Amino acid sequence: NAGVMQNPRHLVRRRGQEARLRCSPMKGHSHVYWYRQLPEEGLKFMVYLQKENIIDESGMPKERFSAEFPKEGPSILRIQQVVRGDSAAYFCAGGSVSYEQYFGPGTRLTVT
Amino acid sequence: AQSVTQLGSHVSVSEGALVLLRCNYSSSVPPYLFWYVQYPNQGLQLLLKYTTGATLVKGINGFEAEFKKSETSFHLTKPSAHMSDAAEYFCAVIVNNQGGKLIFGQGTELSVKP
Repeated sequence: NAGVMQNPRHLVRRRGQEARLRCSPMKGHSHVYWYRQLPEEGLKFMVYLQKENIIDESGMPKERFSAEFPKEGPSILRIQQVVRGDSAAYFCAGGSVSYEQYFGPGTRLTVT
Repeated sequence: AQSVTQLGSHVSVSEGALVLLRCNYSSSVPPYLFWYVQYPNQGLQLLLKYTTGATLVKGINGFEAEFKKSETSFHLTKPSAHMSDAAEYFCAVIVNNQGGKLIFGQGTELSVKP
């Protein structure tokens, strides 16, 4: 996966807790994309960020979800007050241009 | 709205047989086209992509795909299937004037029989 790191790989949260998913793209890659893969569904775009800027958040649920990509450190996808329907695999992809997206191994979130 | 359709959610072939995974897209402007492979519990790996230029694109692991604008298709082929090709395959597009988000098809699970 070309060095894109995501952690944790597996995350279990009880309903109502917060989930924080981290993504570190390869060095030099300033674009980060988050995608969600729900059971029995394909991958859906959530948000596209560049350093300190949200470029496109058209795929983000309106409530409880937020994302950031600070000047220093990893990109964070934050889900507040998780519900069972948030259980999914969350993938981030990094790149320096839109047509070169390298995916991380994903974080599998389970909400109990 | 742009969309990607993969015909067949499950495809089964015998080892050594031709692999053909179908992908059609809808877009009012020329898209960038991609095929990704996903092995169980792993992330996505880029097989090949078409951006501009030659319409027949060769990728990794012996796969290739041909962009046919008149048919709005980007089918993935491999002449001879190997057991290690068993995985899920996703076709995706980026529409040039809509930033970088990938729009994925529903995926095709490829099984390879010995």
